[in-house]
Amino acid sequence: AQTVTQSQPEMSVQEAETVTLSCTYDTSENNYYLFWYKQPPSRQMILVIRQEAYKQQNATENRFSVNFQKAAKSFSLKISDSQLGDTAMYFCAFLSVNAGNMLTFGGGTRLMVKP
Amino acid sequence: DAGVIQSPRHEVTEMGQEVTLRCKPISGHDYLFWYRQTMMRGLELLIYFNNNVPIDDSGMPEDRFSAKMPNASFSTLKIQPSEPRDSAVYFCASSLAGGPKTGELFFGEGSRLTVL
Repeated sequence: AQTVTQSQPEMSVQEAETVTLSCTYDTSENNYYLFWYKQPPSRQMILVIRQEAYKQQNATENRFSVNFQKAAKSFSLKISDSQLGDTAMYFCAFLSVNAGNMLTFGGGTRLMVKP
Repeated sequence: DAGVIQSPRHEVTEMGQEVTLRCKPISGHDYLFWYRQTMMRGLELLIYFNNNVPIDDSGMPEDRFSAKMPNASFSTLKIQPSEPRDSAVYFCASSLAGGPKTGELFFGEGSRLTVL
């Protein structure tokens, strides 16, 4: 079974600064997907970024980028130029192509962006 | 395109009452998931369906919980009888297998359940 670990329950960052959220996972699979989801106080979960394991290039979406280290099974999220609207819970998630469409989520990191 | 629609947004009920939560997935999606979120336990997968068929219900806490998906556009999660420890936010999510959005879950806004 796959596991996803987010070792930082809470983090804070000053507005306009950069913050990195950590995620590690454990799997014996070689073909999989990784995701970061954001859950703001309004509580609806939305996708931030996704990474296919077969792609070596790190995914980026505007101010959000990942550092995908396949050998180390690490998938960190970097938020640049943090904004107050980035305050949310962030969940890392893993999907094996052999597991249907069932995601395994980490425990989440609560990020507070301070003005 | 409308997203995943859940109802009710909020439900307050008394212990012992039956609770029914509803979900309409995104049209064309072939997977539907029910999650429960609490402060203590985080995000838990309760059950998921593929093409209306339950695939894995190992996360359903006990026999008081049941879920159905009578057709591709509707699912229910029922708790009977409800207990205070069932208080949580219940999320429905849907996804599409294959294609560029493989594995991407689209969540509803959740149903906040409070059992007194």
